[in-house]
Amino acid sequence: VQLVESGGGLVKPGGSLRLSCVASGFPFSVYYMSWIRQAPGKGLEWVGRIKSKTDGGTTDYAAPVKGRFTISRDDSKNTLYLQMNSLRAEDTAVYYCAREYYGHFDHWGQGTLVTVSS
Amino acid sequence: IVLTQSPGTLSLSPGESATLSCRASQSVSNTYLAWYQQKRGQAPRLLIYDAFNRATGIPDRFSGSGSGTDFTLTISRLEPEDFAVYYCQQYGRSPITFGQGTRLEIK
Repeated sequence: VQLVESGGGLVKPGGSLRLSCVASGFPFSVYYMSWIRQAPGKGLEWVGRIKSKTDGGTTDYAAPVKGRFTISRDDSKNTLYLQMNSLRAEDTAVYYCAREYYGHFDHWGQGTLVTVSS
Repeated sequence: IVLTQSPGTLSLSPGESATLSCRASQSVSNTYLAWYQQKRGQAPRLLIYDAFNRATGIPDRFSGSGSGTDFTLTISRLEPEDFAVYYCQQYGRSPITFGQGTRLEIK
């Protein structure tokens, strides 16, 4: 199992960024996938998830990002996305994608750093 | 559900045993609680799921217990590589939440 995130970088407050996570080594389409973030020197914060298409492909989000962030998936490309709009300084963090298995996270990517600063 | 981990920092020596606590603000249904280990600069690694099941490849020095609102991660015979930050996570009720972490440091 391998998860590789990309797309992080420096963005100004109010800006947008799209993260990608390419999965390999497992049947991506049947798994729920989540994004989890970690602000510098802080703990882990769940951002949101997308269910498998067979379970409806619906999304759930944490309150701080709801309405600003959108999670999507392209099962043909084994890729998970996180579209982040209206970014704020408090969104600065390492963003991890993780494979979700009945609610817990059994595999994680290495993370990509997003810095929101003017 | 708010998860509170204690202690914030635990200082022990290799060979000793560590007991880490995770207390939930509400009962965690179906013991849907996991523990993760995170070393500096690395992604978290799953240790325990469903309160007491060890993840693949995790040595039996790591054990989880508890139910309801009180959960414990016990690490026996500490090895040098065990010194890291540990997080609990509940998935019994949305939204998924994590504890703030316990840092296990070498005394």
